[in-house]
Amino acid sequence: KAGVTQTPRYLIKTRGQQVTLSCSPISGHRSVSWYQQTPGQGLQFLFEYFSETQRNKGNFPGRFSGRQFSNSRSEMNVSTLELGDSALYLCASSPLATDTQYFGPGTRLTVL
Amino acid sequence: QQQVKQSPQSLIVQKGGISIINCAYENTAFDYFPWYQQFPGKGPALLIAIRPDVSEKKEGRFTISFNKSAKQFSLHIMDSQPGDSATYFCAASTQYNQGGKLIFGQGTELSVKP
Repeated sequence: KAGVTQTPRYLIKTRGQQVTLSCSPISGHRSVSWYQQTPGQGLQFLFEYFSETQRNKGNFPGRFSGRQFSNSRSEMNVSTLELGDSALYLCASSPLATDTQYFGPGTRLTVL
Repeated sequence: QQQVKQSPQSLIVQKGGISIINCAYENTAFDYFPWYQQFPGKGPALLIAIRPDVSEKKEGRFTISFNKSAKQFSLHIMDSQPGDSATYFCAASTQYNQGGKLIFGQGTELSVKP
């Protein structure tokens, strides 16, 4: 099976802009979770979607949002970008939310 | 209470030696404890995971030891190889209530010297 894919792999934006990141889960996986990874804060949970419904949300401002489509693909959006949003954004999928999570390679976002 | 504390931050081991990374948690509701390995430029990859009903789990050269009363768990890498050089993360979750939310430790950068 193909692994979790994320697009784009690299992105450069300027402060105030918005960005949309995409994640395609492993075929058959219905749960998609998003994480932010930075050197200072480590890996932090953003949100999780299951069958197009957000089931859990981490401690991030409302500028961070996401959605899931009927084919389980997911997108996350960050509006009004700040310098501190520069990070590796990771998507993980699992067959059910209670199972192992498999991570994609991430999208490296740089905010200038 | 949601934190997972990981130590050491960095570790240097000689080839063939044993690498040991420790994690501690507070939330007794955690019931799933995976370890992930991450190479530069890649996403984390699941190495091994344990649930609190067992005290030890071994897969090849990798072993998780779990101490429920002390709320600690550790990863042992036997016969460490230069190819094991990576960053290792412990994590914890309450799988049946938290909708896939993994709480990660801060990571340990392992370097295995030839």
